[in-house]
Amino acid sequence: AQSVTQPDIHITVSEGASLELRCNYSYGATPYLFWYVQSPGQGLQLLLKYFSGDTLVQGIKGFEAEFKRSQSSFNLRKPSVHWSDAAEYFCAVGYSSGGSYIPTFGRGTSLIVHP
Amino acid sequence: DTAVSQTPKYLVTQMGNDKSIKCEQNLGHDTMYWYKQDSKKFLKIMFSYNNKELIINETVPNRFSPKSPDKAHLNLHINSLELGDSAVYFCASSQRLGIYEQYFGPGTRLTVT
Repeated sequence: AQSVTQPDIHITVSEGASLELRCNYSYGATPYLFWYVQSPGQGLQLLLKYFSGDTLVQGIKGFEAEFKRSQSSFNLRKPSVHWSDAAEYFCAVGYSSGGSYIPTFGRGTSLIVHP
Repeated sequence: DTAVSQTPKYLVTQMGNDKSIKCEQNLGHDTMYWYKQDSKKFLKIMFSYNNKELIINETVPNRFSPKSPDKAHLNLHINSLELGDSAVYFCASSQRLGIYEQYFGPGTRLTVT
C-alpha cells in the first residue's frame, strides 16, 4: 500500500528565510505527487503537482518542489517565506486503480513564521 | 462565486442523533469526494462519486451514507452519531475520475457531545 511521510510536524522559520518541507512516499510505481496548503479554517488548496517530466515543479505563491526518485522524496521549497505562508502543508500521493483515484495524504506540517 | 460550498460550517449535536452535511460544486466537475480530518489534522478519504455513481468507499461505517442527487451535489448523512465522529469533514471535487487536481470546500466542523 502507498504511504506518505512528512517527518516534521512543526517547522518554524523567520520571515524572509528559506523553507524546505520534507515529504517521503512509499509506492511501487511512478507516483503522482501533490502539495496542498490549508490556511486556518479553510479547505485545502493545491500548490503544485508532479505527474511526469521535469522533476522540478513550479507552483503558485512562489513554491517549488523537486521529485527525487532515488530518495522517494518530493520536498517543497520556497526561497523567501512571507508571514502569510503560515499554514498547514500536506503532501499527497495518488494512484489510479481500476479507474478510480486513491489519494493518500501525509499528516501535514505546520509552518510557523516569525516576524 | 464559491467553487465548492458546504453547509453547515459548524454542527454541534448529541450522541445518537442523525445529521446531514450538504455539498455543492459549481465547477461542472464529474467527481466528488468526502474526506474526514481528525483532531491531529490527518486527512482520510471516505467516499468518491463519479457522475452520481459510488466509486470509492473506504471502510467507512455504514452509519455514513453519501447521496448524490446530481453531479453537482454530494451530501453526507450520518446516523446514530458517536463521539468519535467529531472531526472536520471536507467535500472536494475534481474534473473527472483519475489523477486530477481536487478543489476543496471550506469544511464542516462536527462536534458530537
